[in-house]
Amino acid sequence: QVHLVESGGGLVQAGKSLSLSCAASGFAFSRNNMHWVRRAPGKGLEWLAYISRDAIIKKYAESERGRLTISRDNSKNGLFLQMNSLMPEDTAVYYCARDGEGGSLDYWGQGTLVTVSS
Amino acid sequence: SYVLTQPPSVSVAPGETARIPCGGTNLGVKSVHWYQQKPGQAPVLVIYSDVARPSGIPERFSGSSSGNQASLTISRVEAGDEADYHCQVWDTGSGLRVFGGGTKLTVL
Repeated sequence: QVHLVESGGGLVQAGKSLSLSCAASGFAFSRNNMHWVRRAPGKGLEWLAYISRDAIIKKYAESERGRLTISRDNSKNGLFLQMNSLMPEDTAVYYCARDGEGGSLDYWGQGTLVTVSS
Repeated sequence: SYVLTQPPSVSVAPGETARIPCGGTNLGVKSVHWYQQKPGQAPVLVIYSDVARPSGIPERFSGSSSGNQASLTISRVEAGDEADYHCQVWDTGSGLRVFGGGTKLTVL
């Protein structure tokens, strides 16, 4: 069965950087496009970034462009998100998700909590 | 950038039908997807491509889309359906994915 496990979250000071990881198993990771999504307290889901299966195509939410870098290592079934210049507004649970039919996100990890202190 | 609009909340009595709307310009020409998210849990895909149900999702969940609005319908609502529901599209023009603000379904 598809299994996605995020890690790397925690408490970080504003202005610092953080790198999140997502370990994938139970499916052919190298054949699937992937996403990062977050949910801040009291807000809805916010799509952040997309990476194609071969890592050639990367897309970012307009509001976050320049601060985020998505990457992957198909040899290790790993997905990554580098976040720079963190702000308190970046406090959220960060999820990795698999790209599904029609542009949906069909499987999600349990998320990792990032808390940015001012 | 493309915007999806959802009401913050919808309330329904057990056994009744809940309809959760999602609005967007020419939404009917895009594929709309719906997610259920319970507190402390990951989102779960309940409807994809407007009307399709993933394996394991009850038939009580259905979707529709036309014009500038899509809807998620939950028939015979149960207490366990209480959750946040999010609509989402793929804005193919920009290549970006977009979520609505989410709707909290309360079962009275």
